[in-house]
Order: sequence, then C-alpha cells, then structure tokens
Amino acid sequence: EPEVTQTPSHQVTQMGQEVILRCVPISNHLYFYWYRQILGQKVEFLVSFYNNEISEKSEIFDDQFSVERPDGSNFTLKIRSTKLEDSAMYFCASSVKGEQYFGPGTRLTVT
Amino acid sequence: AQSVTQLGSHVSVSEGALVLLRCNYSSSVPPYLFWYVQYPNQGLQLLLKYTTGATLVKGINGFEAEFKKSETSFHLTKPSAHMSDAAEYFCAVSDKNTDKLIFGTGTRLQVFP
Repeated sequence: EPEVTQTPSHQVTQMGQEVILRCVPISNHLYFYWYRQILGQKVEFLVSFYNNEISEKSEIFDDQFSVERPDGSNFTLKIRSTKLEDSAMYFCASSVKGEQYFGPGTRLTVT
Repeated sequence: AQSVTQLGSHVSVSEGALVLLRCNYSSSVPPYLFWYVQYPNQGLQLLLKYTTGATLVKGINGFEAEFKKSETSFHLTKPSAHMSDAAEYFCAVSDKNTDKLIFGTGTRLQVFP
C-alpha cells in the first residue's frame, strides 16, 4: 500500500541553524501539508500546498518557514534559523482531495 | 474558529470491554469530523470520517462514531477492546471551506488483559 515517507526520522540541530525536513508524498496526490506536534501538545496545522503554491498557512508559519516541491516527488519544509521552540515532531501529509495520509514524522530537536 | 476538545487524556479498559473516547467540537459551519489513530513511532492513520449523510459512521478495526449535532459531539466507540487497540487517538475537525485539520489533544488508550 502506498505511504508517505519522511526523512530523517530524527534531526538534531543547533539554534540558529537551517534545517530541511523532507517528505515523499503518495505519488498521485495533489495536496500537501505540514503539521507539527510539540511534546505533550496537540497536532497543529502549519501549511497546505497545491499547484506549486501555498494555499493556506497558520500564524505559526512565519518568515522563518518555507515549503517547496523541488521535483515531482519531494515536498520539503525549511526552517531558516531554528529556535529552541521549534523542537517538535513534524508530520507531512498528502491527499488527492479529502482524506489526508500522514507520514511517520521527523522529530526535530533544537539545542 | 473551529476547535476540538477530547475529554480524558488517558483511558484504560480491560480486554473485551467497551471503548468510549469522547470528542466535542466547535464550528460555525457544518463540520467534517475525523478520528485518527497513532501507534508508537508511526504516523497518523485515519480510522473514520464524517462529512455528510448518515450520522453513524463505521471505520476500520471495528470502531464507529456518531455525529450528534445537538450535542456537538463525535464520540468514538468499539464494543469490545483488543490489546492491539492500545494507541493514541486524535479527533479532528475541518469543513468544506478548508483542508486544514484542527486536532484535539489526543487520548491515550490502554488495554489491560
């Protein structure tokens, strides 16, 4: 069964460094999403992406964040200058229209 | 703005007992409602969803949920718990105007033999 994959599973970075989290959505899906879950808190929407542009973003998704679909298969989330409070589990999801399929997540630890 | 409240961060049941996980929502427009399950070190998997039509929705693994507009609820039930049901369960809401999912804080289900 097709699935969403994410790499790496765990990323440790120093405050102020740039990180890129990678996702490979299901191949025929057209809509892409990033969510995050800070430890002990709820899963929060960050951004949705369709037709090579952002369709919706939350107030969390400020200028430090960007998304890109650099080729036909990858969908990336870049954090330009990480802060301690960016430490969280980041989930990628994709959909045709409707049901969102989630990846296993990347745990980002900012030290 | 939409929101979801899940009562009970932890629920424990015996194997074979009824599972009831509570979810209440707030939405100014007709909601789309979802239950997701997360097993350790895995992503979120859709259990079931309600968009329109029949208010009793059946999902995978014997789970079902009933949309009750008057109570703004979408509680998840399973008649007989199995050890493999132990996981974290998330209720979420969206609507026809947006794809983004608004999640509750989750309920961790433990099943004892």
